[in-house]
Amino acid sequence: RKEVEQDPGPFNVPEGATVAFNCTYSNSASQSFFWYRQDCRKEPKLLMSVYSSGNEDGRFTAQLNRASQYISLLIRDSKLSDSATYLCVVSFYNQGGKLIFGQGTELSVKP
Amino acid sequence: GAGVSQSPSNKVTEKGKDVELRCDPISGHTALYWYRQSLGQGLEFLIYFQGNSAPDKSGLPSDRFSAERTGGSVSTLTIQRTQQEDSAVYLCASSDGVANSPLHFGNGTRLTVT
Repeated sequence: RKEVEQDPGPFNVPEGATVAFNCTYSNSASQSFFWYRQDCRKEPKLLMSVYSSGNEDGRFTAQLNRASQYISLLIRDSKLSDSATYLCVVSFYNQGGKLIFGQGTELSVKP
Repeated sequence: GAGVSQSPSNKVTEKGKDVELRCDPISGHTALYWYRQSLGQGLEFLIYFQGNSAPDKSGLPSDRFSAERTGGSVSTLTIQRTQQEDSAVYLCASSDGVANSPLHFGNGTRLTVT
């Protein structure tokens, strides 16, 4: 089983739609969680950190469920510019602090 | 200030040759990571440095791969006797090493082995 797994993509949605991505992780000792965004042929960029109580940044909401070992990302009112690959990232501090990326979920927002 | 800098940005090499990839992290960042990304794939963890030491080398694909970091700053990733399956984008990232600190990525080195 992979250490970090994401929903398979691609997700094709119309503008204005709400879309949710899930990510599961295998190590219960994981401490830090992030969502990154990667545009085609570009390096990943931080979208948002994920906090235990959940957090929101504009149209984006991130949730953490430690009991079930998953995190989620909700995008409301999708824009064309949201089209990208969304990467779930989990730290493994009982393994020296390495950060492991999920394989990514591709989102395509259509007019 | 300057971000993470990687060089070269592109490298084409013949199978069997050695290559060296360089990463210059953000000044003051103690943590440095190397990842590899093949076309259409996710990021594959290679190695992680905290200061000059590498707590986790488990991601290095084979003994042809090695990495070092000196002075807590610049890191080099060396691939010996390159193979075609080594072709990928090699991404370096740094962070200040504090829990919950995000990674800052360089633009990557696109390696093509012919």
